[in-house]
Amino acid sequence: GQNIDQPTEMTATEGAIVQINCTYQTSGFNGLFWYQQHAGEAPTFLSYNVLDGLEEKGRFSSFLSRSKGYSYLLLKELQMKDSASYLCAVKDSNYQLIWGAGTKLIIKP
Amino acid sequence: GAVVSQHPSRVICKSGTSVKIECRSLDFQATTMFWYRQFPKKSLMLMATSNEGSKATYEQGVEKDKFLINHASLTLSTLTVTSAHPEDSSFYICSAISSRGGNSPLHFGNGTRLTVT
Repeated sequence: GQNIDQPTEMTATEGAIVQINCTYQTSGFNGLFWYQQHAGEAPTFLSYNVLDGLEEKGRFSSFLSRSKGYSYLLLKELQMKDSASYLCAVKDSNYQLIWGAGTKLIIKP
Repeated sequence: GAVVSQHPSRVICKSGTSVKIECRSLDFQATTMFWYRQFPKKSLMLMATSNEGSKATYEQGVEKDKFLINHASLTLSTLTVTSAHPEDSSFYICSAISSRGGNSPLHFGNGTRLTVT
């Protein structure tokens, strides 16, 4: 079966750095997405990785290792507004998006 | 600005009535639209995939006669919850994509919170 694993919840301190991991087992791979979702709102797109390596976009970076079936989202200089759920999703060989359950990130002052 | 508009954002209806939710792509043609359902503190659950001009593909366990999807044009898809019951109360989210391949991200509507009394 297809599976996406990410931690259920993480806590970090304002101003610090946090890394949210995502491991996947899917039938084929056509890219990995990270989305941010604030409570009661729809998800918003953060990043896309299809090749191995690190993609940096401001305070957020996303890393992919296809051989390990592994990705992480790195958030630097954490702000209180970063408190949200972070969803990892993989596009399989049929271009279907397989969603992780999401990681709830709690930022403390 | 928003590229996908979903309406209404909130709706309260009585048990047994039907509710229609609209999803519009505002500045691109959506070859494919997706409908999701999300329960509190849970991830997105894909209900169906809708391609313009063809029948929607429903995920296993989703009743196609209860959740009617119409993708009449490249910019509009509708989800109708028929004969709604309290257990249908949930957060429904649509998303649209211009191309299934490559790095085209999903653009999400703002979601519709349905409460069935």
